[in-house]
Amino acid sequence: DSGVTQTPKHLITATGQRVTLRCSPRSGDLSVYWYQQSLDQGLQFLIQYYNGEERAKGNILERFSAQQFPDLHSELNLSSLELGDSALYFCASSHPLAGPNTGELFFGEGSRLTVL
Amino acid sequence: ELKVEQNPLFLSMQEGKNYTIYCNYSTTSDRLYWYRQDPGKSLESLFVLLSNGAVKQEGRLMASLDTKARLSTLHITAAVHDLSATYFCAVGSMDSNYQLIWGAGTKLIIKP
Repeated sequence: DSGVTQTPKHLITATGQRVTLRCSPRSGDLSVYWYQQSLDQGLQFLIQYYNGEERAKGNILERFSAQQFPDLHSELNLSSLELGDSALYFCASSHPLAGPNTGELFFGEGSRLTVL
Repeated sequence: ELKVEQNPLFLSMQEGKNYTIYCNYSTTSDRLYWYRQDPGKSLESLFVLLSNGAVKQEGRLMASLDTKARLSTLHITAAVHDLSATYFCAVGSMDSNYQLIWGAGTKLIIKP
């Protein structure tokens, strides 16, 4: 158990709909990352938040948005869903690389989104 | 721009054999990570390599880092079926604003 919690684990919805994925980072981790992994594909970095502020953006579509709340949990909002958005969405959290912290990412179990 | 290349991308091997997965990266880096992913599952951190010459071992897996060659290797000794998974390396660098850049992954199948 990495300590990162993602909900829901599975989600089936229709094209054009909107969904929200939720992530609670490990206790004490300030950074949250969102990744997309399509079937048998690699990891696509979407976005990173650090202590409530957007830190870095990857290949995130304009239909997607995210935020990190004061309690450090994060939500990824996916709207106007298309068939191609079907994927595993992972959240990861980390401490910055400093002192005893190695900067490694700890991943949640993922949310599997199926768009029909 | 930091680029990370893993090879091979796919590897099928017999139990009991040794093999090495390579992770090459294009610019100076101060940290490299190896992760394992079982099909449809989460990514599990295997090794963290933070200095030149670093070598870490866990069971039948050993990872090393050569920052001068910009190369990390993940060596599998006497492979067993349970090691079948996809292995990713990820590299962090000033050039990527310390964002981790991921390799494409190596899908490893170990046949009994």
